[in-house]
Amino acid sequence: EAQVTQNPRYLITVTGKKLTVTCSQNMNHEYMSWYRQDPGLGLRQIYYSMNVEVTDKGDVPEGYKVSRKEKRNFPLILESPSPNQTSLYFCASSLGGGLPYEQYFGPGTRLTVT
Amino acid sequence: AQSVSQHNHHVILSEAASLELGCNYSYGGTVNLFWYVQYPGQHLQLLLKYFSGDPLVKGIKGFEAEFIKSKFSFNLRKPSVQWSDTAEYFCAVNGNNRLAFGKGNQVVVIP
Repeated sequence: EAQVTQNPRYLITVTGKKLTVTCSQNMNHEYMSWYRQDPGLGLRQIYYSMNVEVTDKGDVPEGYKVSRKEKRNFPLILESPSPNQTSLYFCASSLGGGLPYEQYFGPGTRLTVT
Repeated sequence: AQSVSQHNHHVILSEAASLELGCNYSYGGTVNLFWYVQYPGQHLQLLLKYFSGDPLVKGIKGFEAEFIKSKFSFNLRKPSVQWSDTAEYFCAVNGNNRLAFGKGNQVVVIP
């Protein structure tokens, strides 16, 4: 089954404790992206990757890191989480970044930072 | 950078009523436009998309959207909603290798 998977689905952590949210897709997509969803703000792009070893900042990259060492994986790293990073995070992938390619979304990771 | 505006964030209507959600975008280049839906507790799914051709686009579950280039709009419509259409709806524009979303419309359909 074609899908985007994220782990963990739920995470409660404390300020300053480094964490990684994994994202994996099995569709051989070149483009991958991370979004955060907050009430009343919609989805905002954090980082995206056009292909392996190619990443770029989205609209809200501060406090986050990503890497793309393999085509299928695109982990999101919070080196020192803060309470304002409490949010619902979605990973997505698509064939490419341009043209009308549909983005396929993962199930989401609900992160709470206390 | 591209941006998207959605109006009437909260919409409450009865079954069989018609639904129209407004979406306006700003972007200087060629745009690809999308509507995504997020049912309660689920991830986003594509409703429909436009990239060229007929400006009236038909999607899944009876939804359609009309691209009006002169108005920079891509409004979503459904003639007769069902309780199962209760969800949050997001308009998005793809440009410069990035997808920008609007803030969403929370739609509640009362049986």
